[in-house]
Amino acid sequence: DTAVSQTPKYLVTQMGNDKSIKCEQNLGHDTMYWYKQDSKKFLKIMFSYNNKELIINETVPNRFSPKSPDKAHLNLHINSLELGDSAVYFCASSHTGTNTGELFFGEGSRLTVL
Amino acid sequence: ELKVEQNPLFLSMQEGKNYTIYCNYSTTSDRLYWYRQDPGKSLESLFVLLSNGAVKQEGRLMASLDTKARLSTLHITAAVHDLSATYFCAVAPRWVRAGGSYIPTFGRGTSLIVHP
Repeated sequence: DTAVSQTPKYLVTQMGNDKSIKCEQNLGHDTMYWYKQDSKKFLKIMFSYNNKELIINETVPNRFSPKSPDKAHLNLHINSLELGDSAVYFCASSHTGTNTGELFFGEGSRLTVL
Repeated sequence: ELKVEQNPLFLSMQEGKNYTIYCNYSTTSDRLYWYRQDPGKSLESLFVLLSNGAVKQEGRLMASLDTKARLSTLHITAAVHDLSATYFCAVAPRWVRAGGSYIPTFGRGTSLIVHP
């Protein structure tokens, strides 16, 4: 009964390929996020959705396309993968009703581009 | 652009000692978070600080927030090996609120190693 679950946990692929990462939360939250953590552990927001609507889209290449079919799911599709895309991608969720903005994170998806 | 700075970035300390990690941020914010990350693991929420002067304690960790100084501290008391991890502070300033949601910006993290 994992609260925020991501699949796959590990992904190794070649440059130029297209891959997707899926995220699901069972906390009843209405906001979901994608963060990228680089090799130096720096965490940077990529996207955020509130009630399936995109509310934050940071300076992320167009090759990255998020999709939220419903409040409980947020997927990330990456086209034409590059070496620099290698990182750990974290999905997170929060609930606006709590007014704390506290994020709950998934286990992360480690992407390695060769 | 909001900047969140933590120091130190690396901390090696002996068991039983005390130390403080500092988190400075550049924009007024009424929400500050501390997270812990073990190697290869997810981020675990430690503290949520929501007002000036807020102080929260859990075991050997105590966090405080001074919104006027734009400073939060995470104090470690009598460190033990189990506290070895990376600690992140994150700030969600009021003007970033979108759709009722807050978008936390993270510091670079403090890697803590506690050794005997």
